[in-house]
Amino acid sequence: DAGVIQSPRHEVTEMGQEVTLRCKPISGHNSLFWYRQTMMRGLELLIYFNNNVPIDDSGMPEDRFSAKMPNASFSTLKIQPSEPRDSAVYFCASWRTGEETQYFGPGTRLLVL
Amino acid sequence: SQQGEEDPQALSIQEGENATMNCSYKTSINNLQWYRQNSGRGLVHLILIRSNEREKHSGRLRVTLDTSKKSSSLLITASRAADTASYFCATEQGGSEKLVFGKGTKLTVNP
Repeated sequence: DAGVIQSPRHEVTEMGQEVTLRCKPISGHNSLFWYRQTMMRGLELLIYFNNNVPIDDSGMPEDRFSAKMPNASFSTLKIQPSEPRDSAVYFCASWRTGEETQYFGPGTRLLVL
Repeated sequence: SQQGEEDPQALSIQEGENATMNCSYKTSINNLQWYRQNSGRGLVHLILIRSNEREKHSGRLRVTLDTSKKSSSLLITASRAADTASYFCATEQGGSEKLVFGKGTKLTVNP
């Protein structure tokens, strides 16, 4: 298995632009998680889905952030409009019920200028 | 909010020495997990210890859990330069697959 796939790996954009991050979970996994990692706040859970349904979005910072999971093999995290304080590494992870671990993707490093 | 808090924030040792990292948490948990993150990479699961377990081993890793003190420790024995990474504890609370991560311990193993 290729593992969790995220794209793009790096993104540089200007303040005010829309940013879309993509994630393909491991086949057969039924939960998907979006995390954000910064030096100041560490690794924070933004939102997670179970069977494509958003379960907990309490970590989504504000209305500028939205996430979708239209099917079991694809999810997006969108920031519109982006701000410099959104600069971070965004990780996607997937998990299958009964397994011990979440499997993390390589992350998307976002820089908003 | 951060559930797990690792201690120390940074640790530098020589190859061959043992490294001990600690994690404290605040609420009741189902299990506690340790992950490793190499610079610029995603997190990799190392070991999980359930709330009814006190100690667990995996290769050179030893994890302890003290639920009365709400703390856990990760011991890496006979460290290698390749163990250089950040180590995070994560707690899973009741009825949810949601994990809450600490801020991590940055371990440097000098050759």
